[in-house]
Formats: sequence, structure tokens, C-alpha cells
Amino acid sequence: AQSVAQPEDQVNVAEGNPLTVKCTYSVSGNPYLFWYVQYPNRGLQFLLKYITGDNLVKGSYGFEAEFNKSQTSFHLKKPSALVSDSALYFCAVRDPGGYNKLIFGAGTRLAVHP
Amino acid sequence: DGGITQSPKYLFRKEGQNVTLSCEQNLNHDAMYWYRQDPGQGLRLIYYSQIVNDFQKGDIAEGYSVSREKKESFPLTVTSAQKNPTAFYLCASIEGPSNQPQHFGDGTRLSIL
Repeated sequence: AQSVAQPEDQVNVAEGNPLTVKCTYSVSGNPYLFWYVQYPNRGLQFLLKYITGDNLVKGSYGFEAEFNKSQTSFHLKKPSALVSDSALYFCAVRDPGGYNKLIFGAGTRLAVHP
Repeated sequence: DGGITQSPKYLFRKEGQNVTLSCEQNLNHDAMYWYRQDPGQGLRLIYYSQIVNDFQKGDIAEGYSVSREKKESFPLTVTSAQKNPTAFYLCASIEGPSNQPQHFGDGTRLSIL
């Protein structure tokens, strides 16, 4: 079965330090992977995607993600965290069954402390 | 600006009552989706529609119904058969190619009175 795992419910990091939010996936075929961010009582905002090509993908707000096929991972990273990065982050993979459906991880709450 | 508008932002349901959540998009997207979000569970797909007058059940369709009479509109009805409707509901849409991200509205929070 296709699935996405975000092994950490919460990640805490000090402002200015690098951050990593982990994601692993299980899907048949080549994965289409996405990261979204959600602020309180808001919808999901798209950050970045991996479809094909370079394993390091750059996205919005200084975020990037590294695709690792052998480890089936797509970790989200940022070199220097901001307090305003504090939010809920979702990793998703396109369902190979079609219809552009997405399979989401449970989400990771990122807390950046001043 | 193009986007997805969900209304109302907050909604309260009484026992035995059906309620309808609105989702309107002006992005000219063909496909639209409804998700339910519960704490710690991520997003779960309720219904989706690829074209007008056609829609399919997602993973948790029981107790919900939808219609797609217009390209820009995809309302969700939470029926009295849905015994645990308290959740945050998100509507999304996508342009045709599958490598594009889904766009999301700002959600409707449904609670039981």
C-alpha cells in the first residue's frame, strides 16, 4: 500500500539553527513528492515538489528538500530557521492510482524558539 | 487574484441536521477535492471530482455527499449519518498535469452544538 511517514510529531529548533523535517514514503513506480506548510486555521500552502531531475529541490521561503531514492526519503531542510517558520508541515506523495490524488503524512509541528 | 474560497469559516451543526460547506475556485481547474483534517491524522480524502457532473468517493466518503454542477463549484454536504463530523474541512483543486501541486482553500471548521 502507498504511504507516507513523518516520524516526528514535533521538531524543536533554535532560531538561526538549521532545521530538518523528515519524510519517508512507500509508493510503486517513480514518486511525485510534495511539501506543504499550514499555519493555524489556514489551508495548506505549497512549498516545493520533486518530480524528476536533481535530488536537491529548492522551494519557497528558503526551504529545500533532498530526495533519496535508496532510502525512500524526502527530508525538508532550511539552513537557518526563523521564528516565523513555526507551523505544521505535511509531506505528500501522488497516488499512482491516478486522478492526481495525494497521500499525506500525519504532519510534523515545527517550533522555532527565539 | 485567483484562488479557492471556502465558506463559512466556522459552522455549527445540530444533531440530525445536514450542513453544506461551500467551495468555489476561479483558477479554471478541472479537478477538485475535499479533505478532512483531524489532529495527528493528516488529511484524508472524502470525495474528488475530475470534471463537471462526475465525482468519486475517497477513503472516508460515508456520511458525506457532493455535487459538481459547475466547474468552479464543489459543495460538500455533511449528513446526519456522519456521527463524528467535528473536524477541519479543506477543499483543493489542481490544474490538469499530475506534476502540479494542489491548491487549497482556507478551510471550514465544523463543530457540533
